[in-house]
Amino acid sequence: EPEVTQTPSHQVTQMGQEVILRCVPISNHLYFYWYRQILGQKVEFLVSFYNNEISEKSEIFDDQFSVERPDGSNFTLKIRSTKLEDSAMYFCASTEGQGKETQYFGPGTRLLVL
Amino acid sequence: LAKTTQPISMDSYEGQEVNITCSHNNIATNDYITWYQQFPSQGPRFIIQGYKTKVTNEVASLFIPADRKSSTLSLPRVSLSDTAVYYCLVGDSTGGFKTIFGAGTRLFVKA
Repeated sequence: EPEVTQTPSHQVTQMGQEVILRCVPISNHLYFYWYRQILGQKVEFLVSFYNNEISEKSEIFDDQFSVERPDGSNFTLKIRSTKLEDSAMYFCASTEGQGKETQYFGPGTRLLVL
Repeated sequence: LAKTTQPISMDSYEGQEVNITCSHNNIATNDYITWYQQFPSQGPRFIIQGYKTKVTNEVASLFIPADRKSSTLSLPRVSLSDTAVYYCLVGDSTGGFKTIFGAGTRLFVKA
């Protein structure tokens, strides 16, 4: 069964550093998403992306965040200047279509900001 | 976006049927109801989706009354491996689908 993959599985960084989290969505999917989950808390929507542009974003997704689909397979989340409170699990997801389509989630990247 | 309310936690024993109810009083005409399961340190995994009445798959059943203001996820004969957090989501069938997860229901299955 096709799956969403994410790299790295774990990342440790210093406060103020830039990090790029990578995702490879399922190949025929067209809609891509990033979520984060702070330890012990709920899954929080960050952004959705379609046709090379952001279609929805949350209040969390401020100017320090950006997303990109640099080629035909990767979907990246960049955090420009990390803060301690960015420490969380980051999940990528993709869907074939929009709306009610089932979202397939990746295994996540655990980011720790020191 | 319709807000959902679920019990924070539930306990059950192996072999029992578990029913988790979600309230979504402000559900809109275009909204579908979707349930996800999440194990610790893993991404959420789709379980079932429905619009009205009853939907059943190999994993669960979803019961939705006529007014659609609530829904019930039914897990038949749970096992220890069903211990997880279960999320009820309500979302539009069109547009960018900004997905809002609630706090979910933490199900603990005991031997």
